Amino acid sequence: DARVTQTPRDKVTEMGQEVTMRCQPILGHNTVFWYRQTMMQGLELLAYFRNRAPLDDSGMPKDRFSAEMPDATLATLKIQPSEPRDSAVYFCASGTATGTYTEAFFGQGTRLTVV
Amino acid sequence: AQSVTQLGSHVSVSEGALVLLRCNYSSSVPPYLFWYVQYPNQGLQLLLKYTTGATLVKGINGFEAEFKKSETSFHLTKPSAHMSDAAEYFCAVSEIQGAQKLVFGQGTRLTINP
Repeated sequence: DARVTQTPRDKVTEMGQEVTMRCQPILGHNTVFWYRQTMMQGLELLAYFRNRAPLDDSGMPKDRFSAEMPDATLATLKIQPSEPRDSAVYFCASGTATGTYTEAFFGQGTRLTVV
Repeated sequence: AQSVTQLGSHVSVSEGALVLLRCNYSSSVPPYLFWYVQYPNQGLQLLLKYTTGATLVKGINGFEAEFKKSETSFHLTKPSAHMSDAAEYFCAVSEIQGAQKLVFGQGTRLTINP
């Protein structure tokens, strides 16, 4: 049963620390999305990649967030330094761009708490 | 740019009653539309999608939605609610052209009363 795998599931860290979240997309998918979910803002698109190249990261705070795809089986989202306002659930989703639309399959999420 | 508005952040129905969750979209080009469901502490799962063809689409768990271009709507319905339907539901839009990114509405929390 193919699924998107995110690690860790839960992360508690102190303000100022570096946080790295990892995502293993479904094998064969060429598109990866990173979303952040909070009560106040709902689901926000932070960044997405197609064929490992970043297509849009306009939703991401550039000064502290970075997203990469070192290879086709791994996507990372890094926050350095972390702040309490970064506390949220971060979702990775992968899909295959058909040329007209992309259907996204979501991972279980990483719940980040910055204290 | 495309956007989605879900009317009602919280909907409550009785078990066995009709479920109606409203979604209106804004898009400069014909959209692709999706409904996702999120159970507590879980990721989002695709319920159904409209891409082309028939405007009434059926999904999993007895849900269906109808694309109405004239009303720019894509409301989600289920004839008879079940306790297991309690969850948060998200409508999303993706443009046919351009970047094809998925933009989500704010979500509607569905509560089922026994």
